[in-house]
Amino acid sequence: RKEVEQDPGPFNVPEGATVAFNCTYSNSASQSFFWYRQDCRKEPKLLMSVYSSGNEDGRFTAQLNRASQYISLLIRDSKLSDSATYLCVVRRGYSTLTFGKGTMLLVSP
Amino acid sequence: GAGVSQSPSNKVTEKGKDVELRCDPISGHTALYWYRQSLGQGLEFLIYFQGNSAPDKSGLPSDRFSAERTGGSVSTLTIQRTQQEDSAVYLCASSLPARGSTDTQYFGPGTRLTVL
Repeated sequence: RKEVEQDPGPFNVPEGATVAFNCTYSNSASQSFFWYRQDCRKEPKLLMSVYSSGNEDGRFTAQLNRASQYISLLIRDSKLSDSATYLCVVRRGYSTLTFGKGTMLLVSP
Repeated sequence: GAGVSQSPSNKVTEKGKDVELRCDPISGHTALYWYRQSLGQGLEFLIYFQGNSAPDKSGLPSDRFSAERTGGSVSTLTIQRTQQEDSAVYLCASSLPARGSTDTQYFGPGTRLTVL
């Protein structure tokens, strides 16, 4: 089983739609969780950290379920500029990050 | 301020040649990471430097891969006797680790390596 698994998509949604991505991780010792965004042929950039209590940043909401080892990202009111690949990322302690392969989002007019 | 920079941005080489990829981290960042991303694949961890500690080389795929970090700043990733399966984008990231494990890794633009 891969350490971090994501549905590769693509998710095709119209502008203004709400879309949710899920991610599962296999290592119960994972302690830190993140969503990164990667535009085509660009480097990954941190979108948001994911906290146990769930957290929101504008149109983006992240949730963590430690019991199910499951992370989610909800995007409300999708914009064209949200089109990108969203990478689920986990880390154990102070060790390196483990990236999922990403979920591609395409927002159309 | 300046972000992570990498050079070259693109490198085309012939199978069997050696290549060197360079990474300049953000000034003051003590942690430096190398990853590679093959077409359609996720990021694969290669090596991690933290301050003066021994590097974590657990992700290097073979002994043809090595990396150095001189003076705690610039890093060079060397691939000897390149193979076609080494073709990928090689990404460098740096961070300023802090207790609480919420340090952010900032990525460079990557070096796209093509082995013919």
